[in-house]
Amino acid sequence: EVQLLESGGSLVQPGGSLRLSCATSGFNFNRYALSWVRQAPGKGLEWVTSTGGSSGTSYFADSVAGRFTISRDTSNNTLFLHMTSLRVEDTAVYYCAKARNPVVVTATPFDFWGQGTLVTVSS
Amino acid sequence: EIVLTQSPGTLSLSPGERATLSCRASQTVSSNYLAWYQQKPGQAPRLLIYGTSNRATGIPDRFSGSGSGTDFTLTISRLEPEDFAVYYCHQHHIAPPVTFGGGTKVEIK
Repeated sequence: EVQLLESGGSLVQPGGSLRLSCATSGFNFNRYALSWVRQAPGKGLEWVTSTGGSSGTSYFADSVAGRFTISRDTSNNTLFLHMTSLRVEDTAVYYCAKARNPVVVTATPFDFWGQGTLVTVSS
Repeated sequence: EIVLTQSPGTLSLSPGERATLSCRASQTVSSNYLAWYQQKPGQAPRLLIYGTSNRATGIPDRFSGSGSGTDFTLTISRLEPEDFAVYYCHQHHIAPPVTFGGGTKVEIK
């Protein structure tokens, strides 16, 4: 059974940093791209970033490029989102999502999602 | 960046009725790269349809997708109580960036 479990969300001041984790199981971690998608309170879905399974290729939304990085720990099948220079507008539930199609990074729907972790940026 | 516009914003229907949700793209999207998700309050999105018309695993056949080019449709043939939720379309053709529509809320009339 595929499972994704996010953690690390909290209240942080503007300009601060935070690291989110997504522990995964039930699939070949190295074969599938993983992504972060966020949802501001009462709003729609916004893609944040995606990283390839084994390619090392990563892409970022313009709104977070240069402030967020994404990484994978293949020994523990865990995905990370490193967030710096946080802004009030980064406040959202952050979901980890798995690519449905192997190998491709962004040209794929997301077939499994975690339950999300809330990041609140406020002074 | 491809912008996806969903309409209507809210659809008020009764159980048993047919729901038709629209997703219009700002430029052509290959039919292989258009998906739909369902999201209920407090829950993560759930993949319903991929490749415009293919139901994801475990999705009942009252859900169907169609369309091509810039116009895509999600149809729920007869609404069940558990179908009242928000629905999002998603294009992953011209990506990055991946983009989502703004959502259509299907509410009980």
